[in-house]
Amino acid sequence: DAGITQSPRHKVTETGTPVTLRCHQTENHRYMYWYRQDPGHGLRLIHYSYGVKDTDKGEVSDGYSVSRSKTEDFLLTLESATSSQTSVYFCAISGGSAGNTIYFGEGSWLTVV
Amino acid sequence: GIQVEQSPPDLILQEGANSTLRCNFSDSVNNLQWFHQNPWGQLINLFYIPSGTKQNGRLSATTVATERYSLLYISSSQTTDSGVYFCAVLTGNQFYFGTGTSLTVIP
Repeated sequence: DAGITQSPRHKVTETGTPVTLRCHQTENHRYMYWYRQDPGHGLRLIHYSYGVKDTDKGEVSDGYSVSRSKTEDFLLTLESATSSQTSVYFCAISGGSAGNTIYFGEGSWLTVV
Repeated sequence: GIQVEQSPPDLILQEGANSTLRCNFSDSVNNLQWFHQNPWGQLINLFYIPSGTKQNGRLSATTVATERYSLLYISSSQTTDSGVYFCAVLTGNQFYFGTGTSLTVIP
């Protein structure tokens, strides 16, 4: 357990509404990541952060934005949710006491109707 | 980006059987990890193995970085081994995942 908490764990939202997922960590890990998991695609990186206010895009960043205003929180925002963003979202951390090992949160199930 | 391929995509075993899962990657990597995703969706770290061989109980892993592949061995499989096994490689600051091997162990 690397002290990662995701919220909400489950959410149903309507197309066109904004959605924010939160990842909170308690162990001062430098790197934080947001992945989405879809059948047939494994885990794909959306955005990641390498420090406060330092973020970069992953391979599937379109339609998503992130913010990291403090070390412990990494927010993923869907500005206007679409049905193609229905997925399971995983936050992950590495660095600090985790070293080069990546650890995952328990996931957030998002359904866009 | 780097390509990560896992084989086989699906595997069904009788309880007690052994299996080998493979992960090929297309470029040099800084590290490689294996994960097990259980039926409840939880991703569990199995091995951090950028090179060499490690063992943990019935599981062992070998990475040959110069030939760009890693193997995960499961011996005497149990029904609790069911789930999806992923390998992930780190290049730069990003981890890239394979599409996984779905393992079903039947009693």
